[in-house]
This record gives sequence, structure tokens and C-alpha cells, in this order.
Amino acid sequence: AQSVAQPEDQVNVAEGNPLTVKCTYSVSGNPYLFWYVQYPNRGLQFLLKYITGDNLVKGSYGFEAEFNKSQTSFHLKKPSALVSDSALYFCAVRDQAGGYNKLIFGAGTRLAVHP
Amino acid sequence: NAGVMQNPRHLVRRRGQEARLRCSPMKGHSHVYWYRQLPEEGLKFMVYLQKENIIDESGMPKERFSAEFPKEGPSILRIQQVVRGDSAAYFCASSPGTSNTGELFFGEGSRLTVL
Repeated sequence: AQSVAQPEDQVNVAEGNPLTVKCTYSVSGNPYLFWYVQYPNRGLQFLLKYITGDNLVKGSYGFEAEFNKSQTSFHLKKPSALVSDSALYFCAVRDQAGGYNKLIFGAGTRLAVHP
Repeated sequence: NAGVMQNPRHLVRRRGQEARLRCSPMKGHSHVYWYRQLPEEGLKFMVYLQKENIIDESGMPKERFSAEFPKEGPSILRIQQVVRGDSAAYFCASSPGTSNTGELFFGEGSRLTVL
């Protein structure tokens, strides 16, 4: 079965410091991986995706993620955190079985950036 | 270019009543996905529909829940005889088709509260 795991319920970072939100995956075959962000009482906003190509993927709002096949990880990173980055972050993997865009989400990691 | 539109944004129902949630996909998108987010949890896939067809309903509860995406009009998620455990945020997402490797585009969600 395909799945993603986000091992941290919450990540606390000081403003201006680098941040990392962790994600590991389990799929058969090549993974299609995604990161989304959710602000309070809002829908999910797409940040970035990895389908193929460079292992370092750049996305919206200065975020990037590194695909590591040997470690089956897809960690989200940002060099310098902003207070406005505080939100709920979801990692997702495309379900390969159906051939359509059904995404399987992790439980989410709450990022808190402190001034 | 309007995004995915969901209504109502908030819905309050008493136990035993019916809830109808509507979703209009992005212009040009013909594929709709429904997800449920319980409080403090991640998103769980419910159902995937194309126009007039249910493709994957593996995440739908066997009873009381149904979904449709008619030829004309929005997709509707219907919950009959609601119970308190149905209280959640229900998100709709759309995509242009199955051939792309792209992300899902999410609406703002419909938050159901069952009293």
C-alpha cells in the first residue's frame, strides 16, 4: 500500500532561521510527490511537486524540497522562515494504482514560526 | 479564472437531517475529488468522479453518503441522516484529466457541524 509519513506533529522555528518539514513515502514504482499548505479555515494550496528530473524542486513562497530515493524522503525546506509561513503542511503521494490524480496525504505538520 | 468553488462554506445540521455540499470545478476541469478532514487530522480520500461517472468511491462510507457529478451543474456530496461523527471539513479538488501528472486544485472547503 502506498503511504506518506510526516513524523513531526509540530515544528517550531525562529524567524529568519532555516526550516525543514519531514516527509517519507512508501510506494511501488516511481513516486509523484507533492507538498501543500493549509492556512486556518482555508483550503489546501499547492506548493511544489516532484515527478522526475532534478532532486531539488523549487516551489512557491521560497520553499523547496529535496527528493531522496535512497532514503525515500521528500523533505520541505526554506532557507529563512517567516512568521507568515506558520500553517499546516501536508505531504502527499499520488496513488499509482488508478492512473489518475488521487493523492494520499500525510497527517500534516504544524509549522510555528516565532518572531 | 475562478478556482474551485464550494458551497456552503459552513453548514449546521441537527442529527438525522441531510447535508448537501456542492462543488464547481475549475474551468476546463472535468475531474472532481472529494476529501474529508476531521478535526486535527489529515485529508482522507472519499470519492473521485468524472462527468456522470463515479470512478473510485473506495473512501466513501457504505451508508448514508453519496456523490454525483451530473452532466450539467456542480458535483454534489450528499450525507443523509447526519450524525455527530460527520462533523468535519469536506474539500473538493479538481484536475483537468488523468493524463497530466499535475496537482489537484482545492476549494476552500465546506465545514459541516452536526448538533
